[in-house]
Amino acid sequence: DIQMTQSPSSVSASVGDRVTITCRASQSISSWLAWYQQKPDRAPKSLIYIASNLQSGVPSRFRGNGSGTDFTLTISSLQPEDFATYYCQQYNTSPLTFGGGTKVEIK
Amino acid sequence: EVQLVESGGPFVPPGGSLRVSCAASGFTFKNAWMSWVRQAPGKGLEWVGRIKTNTEGGATDFAAPVRDRFSILRDDSENMLYLQMNSLTSEDTAVYYCTAEPSRGWYGLDKWGQGTMVIVSS
Repeated sequence: DIQMTQSPSSVSASVGDRVTITCRASQSISSWLAWYQQKPDRAPKSLIYIASNLQSGVPSRFRGNGSGTDFTLTISSLQPEDFATYYCQQYNTSPLTFGGGTKVEIK
Repeated sequence: EVQLVESGGPFVPPGGSLRVSCAASGFTFKNAWMSWVRQAPGKGLEWVGRIKTNTEGGATDFAAPVRDRFSILRDDSENMLYLQMNSLTSEDTAVYYCTAEPSRGWYGLDKWGQGTMVIVSS
């Protein structure tokens, strides 16, 4: 199975800060990577697919980058509604696998 | 508007069986790959398994921890998805989310239901 490793596991930031989350795959997944946002007691929401493509309605302050084994999710200017947990997921190979999550907390 | 509404649970004894359901609307269900994802209390997301379209033979695949115990069924006439879970243990206690891939593997798990809780306990 492909292992997905996210870092950091948590980050404290203020409104307006730039935040970058890293996701590393244990083997190449080309660009078959998605990012999800989950708020407490809510279902996850898809943000980005094929590493860098925003789902409809996702603000442009979210940016995904990378290919192969190394990927990033950047939030350019953190907004109050962005405080949540973020997960990467590879869908290059079954079984689909998620990273452990990164919790973005208010500083 | 896409809607995925899960039902079933919450309580089942260890060693028991349970079927959870997902009612889909707002997209062409028969053309979508459908997956189940679970989340144990306070933990991260874990993909459980997927079923492809009946045009693709309804092929299924599963994560290793559930491969020999769980099955996924779809009823395209009713736009329903099912997860049949057998030989349940406390490790299976989680919120179970129904997800849809209308793009069949291009956009990831882009549609999610609200989840249904399953508690395996005596």
